[in-house]
Amino acid sequence: QVQLQESGPGLVKPSGTLSLTCAVSGVSITSTNWWSWVRQSPGKGLEWIGEIFHNGRVNYTPSLKSRVTLSIDKSKNQFSLRLNSVTAADTAVYFCAREGYYYDSGGYPIDHWGQGTLVTVSS
Amino acid sequence: DIVLTQSPGTLSLSPGERATLSCRASQSVSDNYLAWYQQKPGQAPRLLIRDASSRATAIPDRFSGSGSGTDFTLTISRLEPEDFAVYYCQQYGSSPRTFGQGTKVEI
Repeated sequence: QVQLQESGPGLVKPSGTLSLTCAVSGVSITSTNWWSWVRQSPGKGLEWIGEIFHNGRVNYTPSLKSRVTLSIDKSKNQFSLRLNSVTAADTAVYFCAREGYYYDSGGYPIDHWGQGTLVTVSS
Repeated sequence: DIVLTQSPGTLSLSPGERATLSCRASQSVSDNYLAWYQQKPGQAPRLLIRDASSRATAIPDRFSGSGSGTDFTLTISRLEPEDFAVYYCQQYGSSPRTFGQGTKVEI
């Protein structure tokens, strides 16, 4: 079955760079799916960060576009998030997710999620 | 960006009752690409409904989605104890994808 697992530092200093990796198992990262990151600040709602396709095509949410980079490593079947110039406002649980392709409709809803990893921005 | 507004913010109900959750979009959602997710404390969200009305794999038929364009509804016909959670809608018809702020269904 499809599984996603986030990894990376749980603590990042202000003005530093947040880096997370999502290991994908049970499906090839080169399949017809998009791969995304979503975050959730403590006690708050969900915020979509961006998505990447295996050919390198990316889409980002405008509010983070200047600070975020998504990348993909086909050889390791994983994808990554980098968010630079972080502040306390970037403290959140970060989820990686699969946006699965459905042939009956052509849509890509998020149908698999990692368990999430808490990243705290603090000195 | 498409803004999704969910109402009510909190829904207080009892097991066995019917829950009706609303999600209104600031502009029409392309191809009705609207999903509903359930999230319990400390867990990742779970896909319930995709394409506004199609139940995801293994989702009980007490969950149903309806609507089109800018107005969408999630209905839970008879609440089970495990259904008390936060529910989010999300549109994936245009970029950036956006979520509603959530509706908490509580006892």
